[in-house]
Amino acid sequence: DTGVSQDPRHKITKRGQNVTFRCDPISEHNRLYWYRQTLGQGPEFLTYFQNEAQLEKSRLLSDRFSAERPKGSFSTLEIQRTEQGDSAMYLCASSFSGQGGYGYTFGSGTRLTVV
Amino acid sequence: KQEVTQIPAALSVPEGENLVLNCSFTDSAIYNLQWFRQDPGKGLTSLLLIQSSQREQTSGRLNASLDKSSGRSTLYIAASQPGDSATYLCAVSTLYGGSQGNLIFGKGTKLSVKP
Repeated sequence: DTGVSQDPRHKITKRGQNVTFRCDPISEHNRLYWYRQTLGQGPEFLTYFQNEAQLEKSRLLSDRFSAERPKGSFSTLEIQRTEQGDSAMYLCASSFSGQGGYGYTFGSGTRLTVV
Repeated sequence: KQEVTQIPAALSVPEGENLVLNCSFTDSAIYNLQWFRQDPGKGLTSLLLIQSSQREQTSGRLNASLDKSSGRSTLYIAASQPGDSATYLCAVSTLYGGSQGNLIFGKGTKLSVKP
């Protein structure tokens, strides 16, 4: 297991189209997180899963966004009817929630450009 | 609401200098604190993780301290090198049901080390 994998690395889409990103976490980690980062800002929390349950969603996650983690393994983040304001780096991270808690491990991100 | 502030926003130093990056947070009820490095257009690389019960962590030329009561952390980089040039992000993990919740990030310090 080499870390957190994200696919695709880059995505260019026309406004109004739907896009889907995939994240494969570290297998021993039971938590999976999605963050969004715009230029010059730190990453902002979107949502997270513990196993297959989605436990928390940020108010940043509008109705056009949906995330899933079937069977508690990989996760997908879908954005419907993309807008130019959705252009950002989408980062996935995983961690272990047990006593002592491990740090987060981030993937390389998916850069979305909406034209 | 937890807020994380990093000072300075940017820093330029000559090669070989020792330097300190600062991070402050408003709510001391954190689970842990993590320092990350981010190269332009890339994902985040974890540098150091400090649990809330710890005071400092060291890795090679890096040393991070944590003063939870005053809401401060510092990242000390010894004998800086041009390869250290990157944005350094501080993030605190909130408490959620007794275990770690999501990360709250600062905006980062952009470090440039001149040869």
